[in-house]
Amino acid sequence: NAGVTQTPKFQVLKTGQSMTLQCAQDMNHNSMYWYRQDPGMGLRLIYYSASEGTTDKGEVPNGYNVSRLNKREFSLRLESAAPSQTSVYFCASSEWGRTDTQYFGPGTRLTVL
Amino acid sequence: RKEVEQDPGPFNVPEGATVAFNCTYSNSASQSFFWYRQDCRKEPKLLMSVYSSGNEDGRFTAQLNRASQYISLLIRDSKLSDSATYLCVADYNNDMRFGAGTRLTVKP
Repeated sequence: NAGVTQTPKFQVLKTGQSMTLQCAQDMNHNSMYWYRQDPGMGLRLIYYSASEGTTDKGEVPNGYNVSRLNKREFSLRLESAAPSQTSVYFCASSEWGRTDTQYFGPGTRLTVL
Repeated sequence: RKEVEQDPGPFNVPEGATVAFNCTYSNSASQSFFWYRQDCRKEPKLLMSVYSSGNEDGRFTAQLNRASQYISLLIRDSKLSDSATYLCVADYNNDMRFGAGTRLTVKP
C-alpha cells in the first residue's frame, strides 16, 4: 500500500500561472483533505471532500478550486498563482467521521515567484 | 487569535529527561483532540488521540482539560528519536484545527 501519494513533490511557478496538485489514496477512505502549512501558522484546511461527489470549503479556500475525481483522487487547482500561495501543501485522507484515521501524503513544496 | 495555540519552543532537553507541552484551544465545541508528530520536511503523523480521562501510550501521556480548554503531552525518558515538532489538534465536525507546533530537540 502506498497510502497517500502526491505529485509533484516540488514546483516553482510565476505569478499568474496555473497548476493542479494531484493526490491519490489507496486506503479506500471516503474523506479527503487539502491543507497548506506555512511557518508559524500550523496546517490550515483549504478544502475537504467528505465523500465522492461532495466538496466543502475549509478555513482558507480563496484562490483554490478542488475536484474529487473519484473515491481515490482529489486534486487542488490554483487558477492564477500568487506569491502568498507559496507554501507546503499536504493532502490527507480518512474514514468519514474518524479523524483519528487521518493519514497525510508527503507534501508538495510550491514556490510562486 | 489562532484557534489552537502552542508554545513554539524550542525545547532542548537531555536524553532521559521528562518534558511537557501544553496547548490551548478556543472553540469550546471541539469534539476530538490529537497530538501529531512532524519530522523536519516530512508529513505529520498521528501520535495519539487525547481523551478527557487521560491516556498513555508507552512513554507518552496525553491529557485533556475541557473546563480550561487545554491539552497536554508528557514525554518521559526522552530519546534522541523523539526530536521532532509536536502539533496539537482540535477537531470540530471533521474540521481539524492545528497548532503551529512545538519543536523538541533531545540531546545526548
